Amino acid sequence: ILNVEQSPQSLHVQEGDSTNFTCSFPSSNFYALHWYRWETAKSPEALFVMTLNGDEKKKGRISATLNTKEGYSYLYIKGSQPEDSATYLCAYSYGGATNKLIFGTGTLLAVQP
Amino acid sequence: EPEVTQTPSHQVTQMGQEVILRCVPISNHLYFYWYRQILGQKVEFLVSFYNNEISEKSEIFDDQFSVERPDGSNFTLKIRSTKLEDSAMYFCASREIRERETQYFGPGTRLLVL
Repeated sequence: ILNVEQSPQSLHVQEGDSTNFTCSFPSSNFYALHWYRWETAKSPEALFVMTLNGDEKKKGRISATLNTKEGYSYLYIKGSQPEDSATYLCAYSYGGATNKLIFGTGTLLAVQP
Repeated sequence: EPEVTQTPSHQVTQMGQEVILRCVPISNHLYFYWYRQILGQKVEFLVSFYNNEISEKSEIFDDQFSVERPDGSNFTLKIRSTKLEDSAMYFCASREIRERETQYFGPGTRLLVL
């Protein structure tokens, strides 16, 4: 069974704090790791697709790293703002014809002003 | 910016009834997916669709489920006889043909089976 785990399940921080979450996934048959940001009643928004060991990607105050050998990815948010409050989902794929995604449980981030 | 749309946003139905969930993928995308999230659980893959046929389906996607691309724009998920356990948020997603491309998700349809 291919399992993707995220930690912590939820996180409450103050505005201006920096924070990070973890996604762990099977290190065998790795193809790609996706991060999404999901606000209630909206579409999950794609943040990053990461494919190579050692990849680091950045989008504004959000960045992510990837270690495919040990099977983990970190998502960092620098200087959290209330608008960063959302659920952050990671999803792993092992390729194949369809490239289906296997999701973690998500990390719910609440940023208090 | 192009986006995936889904209708309806919410649907309430009686057990045993048929429901059709509709999606309009991004126009130049060729791979289409349905995922669902039962409350409190992970988002899980249901089915993928390419070149007018199912390319992969999960164990969940039994004979009660079907998908169709009836025209050049819509992609539908039909549940023939709904069960209580079908209550979930159903997401449609689409992507371009290159394999490591991002899958773009719609906002979901919240289905409640009573």
